Amino acid sequence: KAGVTQTPRYLIKTRGQQVTLSCSPISGHRSVSWYQQTPGQGLQFLFEYFSETQRNKGNFPGRFSGRQFSNSRSEMNVSTLELGDSALYLCASSPQGQGADTQYFGPGTRLTVL
Amino acid sequence: AQSVTQLGSHVSVSEGALVLLRCNYSSSVPPYLFWYVQYPNQGLQLLLKYTSAATLVKGINGFEAEFKKSETSFHLTKPSAHMSDAAEYFCAVSKRGGTSYGKLTFGQGTILTVHP
Repeated sequence: KAGVTQTPRYLIKTRGQQVTLSCSPISGHRSVSWYQQTPGQGLQFLFEYFSETQRNKGNFPGRFSGRQFSNSRSEMNVSTLELGDSALYLCASSPQGQGADTQYFGPGTRLTVL
Repeated sequence: AQSVTQLGSHVSVSEGALVLLRCNYSSSVPPYLFWYVQYPNQGLQLLLKYTSAATLVKGINGFEAEFKKSETSFHLTKPSAHMSDAAEYFCAVSKRGGTSYGKLTFGQGTILTVHP
C-alpha cells in the first residue's frame, strides 16, 4: 500500500496570507489527524477528522481549520498567517482513529512564514 | 490531562553500546504507549506500541520497551547501537476509551547520537 502523502512538501508565505495543505491517507484509513511540529513547542495535535467530521480538536486558534472529503483526503487551512506559524505540519492516518490504532505519518509540509 | 516526559533531550552512545531512552507518563489510567522515530526531513515512523497484555514489547530494528505500571514508565532500549539509529525519538500516549479520537500526546523528543 502507498503511504501517507502530503502536498506540497515546502511552502513559503508572507504574514497575512492564507495557506492550504493537503493530505492523502493510506487506502482504507478513515481517520486523519494533523500535527504541528516546532522546535519550541514540539509536536502538538491540531485536529482529527473521520468520515468528513471533525471529532477532536487541539488548542489552536480558529485561524487553523480543516476538512475531510468523502475519499478521506484531508486539507488544513491557516488564515492570516503569523510568523509563529512557521512549522512542519504532519498529517497521520489510521483505520478508525481509536486510541490503540497506529497512526501512520506523512513526510510533512514545511511552512515558512516571512 | 495526560502528559509525557522524556528524560534527556540528547543522548550520546558509542556504536555497539546499549541504548536507553527514558519515557514517563502521567495518567490516572494507563494509556496506550508508542515510540516513534524521526529521521531528518522525514515524518515519524512507528517503532513499537503497547496496548495491553505483554508488558515487554518488541519493535522494529531491534528496539524493545517495557511497560512498568508501578513506575509509570515505558523506556526504550536496544542492546547494541548502530550508526543508522542516529535520529530523534518520540514517546507518545493516547487515551483509553473516551472521546480522544486520533490524538497522540508527544514527549519533547530525545536526539540520539551514535559515535563510531
